[in-house]
Amino acid sequence: RKEVEQDPGPFNVPEGATVAFNCTYSNSASQSFFWYRQDCRKEPKLLMSVYSSGNEDGRFTAQLNRASQYISLLIRDSKLSDSATYLCVVNVNFNKFYFGSGTKLNVKP
Amino acid sequence: DTGVSQNPRHKITKRGQNVTFRCDPISEHNRLYWYRQTLGQGPEFLTYFQNEAQLEKSRLLSDRFSAERPKGSFSTLEIQRTEQGDSAMYLCASSPGMRGRTKNIQYFGAGTRLSVL
Repeated sequence: RKEVEQDPGPFNVPEGATVAFNCTYSNSASQSFFWYRQDCRKEPKLLMSVYSSGNEDGRFTAQLNRASQYISLLIRDSKLSDSATYLCVVNVNFNKFYFGSGTKLNVKP
Repeated sequence: DTGVSQNPRHKITKRGQNVTFRCDPISEHNRLYWYRQTLGQGPEFLTYFQNEAQLEKSRLLSDRFSAERPKGSFSTLEIQRTEQGDSAMYLCASSPGMRGRTKNIQYFGAGTRLSVL
């Protein structure tokens, strides 16, 4: 079983739509959680950290459910520029980071 | 540019040759990570350094792979006797490792794309 599982998509949505991605992780000892964004043929870049209390950054909201071992990302009012692959990342024992395979988002005009 | 720097950006080599990649992390970041990424997959963890100490190695890192960070600054990843299956993007990342919420945030370099013919 993979450490981190994501729906690969693609999610094809119109501009202005709200879209949600989920990610599950297998190690209950996981300590920190992140969403990264990766554009085609570019390096991953941090989108946001995910805190137990949930957190919001503009149009983006991240939630963590430790009991069910899943993380979510909600994007409101999608923009064309949001088109990318979104990677769920889980940190175990501070030394190892596990990335999901990514969820591809296509925002259409 | 004060970001993570990787060289070369592209490397084409013949099967059986040795290759070496370099990563210069953000200065004062004491944690450095190497990953491998293939098409359609997320980055796979290879190894981790805290300063000059290599503290974690993935099972993916076979005997043909070796990484060093001799002075706790830049790092090299060497692949000996390359195989076609080694073709991938090799990413380096660094993180501050200090206290607080930012300590585990990783900043990635642009990667080295390896093609083994």
